Amino acid sequence: DAGITQSPRYKITETGRQVTLMCHQTWSHSYMFWYRQDLGHGLRLIYYSAAADITDKGEVPDGYVVSRSKTENFPLTLESATRSQTSVYFCASSGGTGSNQPQHFGDGTRLSIL
Amino acid sequence: GQQVMQIPQYQHVQEGEDFTTYCNSSTTLSNIQWYKQRPGGHPVFLIQLVKSGEVKKQKRLTFQFGEAKKNSSLHITATQTTDVGTYFCAHIIQGAQKLVFGQGTRLTINP
Repeated sequence: DAGITQSPRYKITETGRQVTLMCHQTWSHSYMFWYRQDLGHGLRLIYYSAAADITDKGEVPDGYVVSRSKTENFPLTLESATRSQTSVYFCASSGGTGSNQPQHFGDGTRLSIL
Repeated sequence: GQQVMQIPQYQHVQEGEDFTTYCNSSTTLSNIQWYKQRPGGHPVFLIQLVKSGEVKKQKRLTFQFGEAKKNSSLHITATQTTDVGTYFCAHIIQGAQKLVFGQGTRLTINP
């Protein structure tokens, strides 16, 4: 969907480096999410945000940091990348007004950590 | 948290054959959402079920939510090559809008 964009699409970095993945949505959705997708594990929630300045941990938050200073942006930072964080990362957003809105996903960032 | 088990993990069919994937939970779910992810793509929302025994159809796709709201299924009639991908069920944790995904069923089709 053109309304949610992730950057970069591909990233290769080394262990110990800091990496930030960007996510931007134009729908003014209140909820935003970060998932990682690995073979055998499906989609796992890393962090989510209900609104600007409100974030909470998901299933696998260790090693990641998020912020949400503006409604439209939800960056994900790997403070000191490890090989186990090699994965495909998806950002998603939803209207989330309490009526179980569907989530809209970005195209993903394929991150390799050497 | 509430886990949903999805079976089978993989399914290979001949084009024209039917396909079904199942999603099971040990606890009652408030809702089920289904997503499709094409190879190399991102998950795309297909449908949401919220009522006990609910059945919804989208062309060749039929979605069901069990009477006890503990299981759901997606059935595709007469598969086409465009149906290739991974199908995920997911349910929302009430109050948090968090989705918990099943492991997905990867469908491949022999033309």
